[in-house]
This record gives sequence, C-alpha cells and structure tokens, in this order.
Amino acid sequence: DTEVTQTPKHLVMGMTNKKSLKCEQHMGHRAMYWYKQKAKKPPELMFVYSYEKLSINESVPSRFSPECPNSSLLNLHLHALQPEDSALYLCASSPPRTSGSYEQYFGPGTRLTVT
Amino acid sequence: AQKVTQAQTEISVVEKEDVTLDCVYETRDTTYYLFWYKQPPSGELVFLIRRNSFDEQNEISGRYSWNFQKSTSSFNFTITASQVVDSAVYFCALSELGGGSNYKLTFGKGTLLTVNP
Repeated sequence: DTEVTQTPKHLVMGMTNKKSLKCEQHMGHRAMYWYKQKAKKPPELMFVYSYEKLSINESVPSRFSPECPNSSLLNLHLHALQPEDSALYLCASSPPRTSGSYEQYFGPGTRLTVT
Repeated sequence: AQKVTQAQTEISVVEKEDVTLDCVYETRDTTYYLFWYKQPPSGELVFLIRRNSFDEQNEISGRYSWNFQKSTSSFNFTITASQVVDSAVYFCALSELGGGSNYKLTFGKGTLLTVNP
C-alpha cells in the first residue's frame, strides 16, 4: 500500500478564514512533506517533518502553520491567506533511510482557492 | 547547489509513436538519487522510478525505459508506443539527503506530454 490521503480535495476560503488541510499515511514512513504547486510549475517544498519534528521550513510565511500530531498524520493550518496563496497543496511521505528506498509518495492534493 | 533541467517544455506526439523526455542534472554530491514522476491532469504526482548514482544500469518496465548516464549527467525517459493515457506532465527530480530520514527533492520544470489519438 503506497497511499497518501489528503482532505479536503477542494477548498475555497476567504482571506479572514481559518482552515486546515489534512494528510495521512499508514506506510510507516517517518518523514512527511508539504509542497505548494502553482499552475504549470513544479512543486515547491514548504515544510518537512522527520520523526514528528519540524526538520525544514523553507521560509514559509507564518500564515501557514504545520503540525505533525503523530507519525501518520500531518496538518497544515491556514489563517489570513492571500489570493496568491491559491494553489495545489501536496503532501508526501518517504520511508526511513534504513529501508533502502528514497522516493517520496504523494497524495492527490488539495486545490485551494483564496477569495 | 543542485539543479535539474528539462529542456523540453511541451511535446506532442501521435499515439503509438515513441517519445523521449530529456533530463540533465547538476550536483556536487557523490551519492544522489534521481527520480521520474508523472502528474496527470488529476494532480497527483505518481512515482515512476528511482535510480541511485552508483547504479548506471538502464531499466525497462513495460513500455517505459530509462537511460542513466553519469558521464553526461543525464537521466532520460523513453515511452515506447505511446498511448493517450500517457498524456501528463513528467517531472525529473534529484534528491539531496537531508538530516534524519528526509530527502529534499529538486524538481525540473516538467515536460507536458500530449499524446493525440
């Protein structure tokens, strides 16, 4: 099973709203990632969690707040977003290094529209 | 700094044609990993293949084949007898080993492949 699930699939929110994106995997992966992807562009890394600790923050604005409650779950809390934050938000996970596998497995994404 | 170049922005072929997607990379690491991902219109990035820097064997999986050449820093992807379902954006990516168990991917800009019936 190489499935990463994300909810919701689509989200429309106003600039004053607070919402959360959810990502889940049950593959025993210990690294989880948030990416932002604009149309016709490659994914851009936002955050990396390794063993439930924030490992990388790619200078993301504080209106995006990640959370990793346990090894299977990753959230992205959104507050006071701007219209330019509208994008596809992708979650990914990768196996432990000891597994010998290094690829990231991606979820289907959440299409976010900020109005 | 790592860099991945996919010079072909868009490719259009007719069904059953063979097509090769080019990928050239730059890295100072001696150990690295290369990947190809497929992104259909639905949006999900689908992992296709991983190649280690110390393994230059070419690989074939059905209609897909990959040619890895360290001497030219290239990792090209060929689809034989293309089908309409192959229409997607294809990304080549290079991994940088981070701390712990995470890997930072550097993506190319992607190649949009359209297979026409």
